[in-house]
Amino acid sequence: DTAVSQTPKYLVTQMGNDKSIKCEQNLGHDTMYWYKQDSKKFLKIMFSYNNKELIINETVPNRFSPKSPDKAHLNLHINSLELGDSAVYFCASSLPGGDGELFFGEGSRLTVL
Amino acid sequence: GNSVTQMEGPVTLSEEAFLTINCTYTATGYPSLFWYVQYPGEGLQLLLKATKADDKGSNKGFEATYRKETTSFHLEKGSVQVSDSAVYFCALARGAAGNKLTFGGGTRVLVKP
Repeated sequence: DTAVSQTPKYLVTQMGNDKSIKCEQNLGHDTMYWYKQDSKKFLKIMFSYNNKELIINETVPNRFSPKSPDKAHLNLHINSLELGDSAVYFCASSLPGGDGELFFGEGSRLTVL
Repeated sequence: GNSVTQMEGPVTLSEEAFLTINCTYTATGYPSLFWYVQYPGEGLQLLLKATKADDKGSNKGFEATYRKETTSFHLEKGSVQVSDSAVYFCALARGAAGNKLTFGGGTRVLVKP
């Protein structure tokens, strides 16, 4: 039973398209995140939601729009995809309170051609 | 701002060799420090953590000690196995945004039989 699951695992698309990545966690956590990992494995936080409320919004282009329909789901929609959006996107969740332990999904590899 | 610097890889070792991955950080106050591990094709998972100076985190034979005086959190393992081949990330979390992790660039470790 996967704790944090993301779909799709792989996504290949053309520049200019719009795509979504979905994330669900069954851990009962209140807080969820999106991280971007580039080709050099560098990880950077994009967004964080706590109980459906946006709490962290890093300097991400507004082509990226997160949506949290409930606290178990955090989806990432990307408009007008660009070559530089190619990366692995990781969803994660955690308990509130800040002990720093995040539970990550397996990642969604996005390739923009 | 907060930052984490870790040694660049790849680090290639033989089985049963000693592993050290250096990590230093810059942060105001007293962050919590973490090591995460990413096995091939998987998401990150917490390996160990330390929340205050002189704490030692340990798990699966890995250890790291929080050294405030040198702002370091070096990861060590006395005898590595092939199954330890992975990318290791040092990270810190600070203050009210305790779950907003700042990651280092990752160090790829390859253990050969």
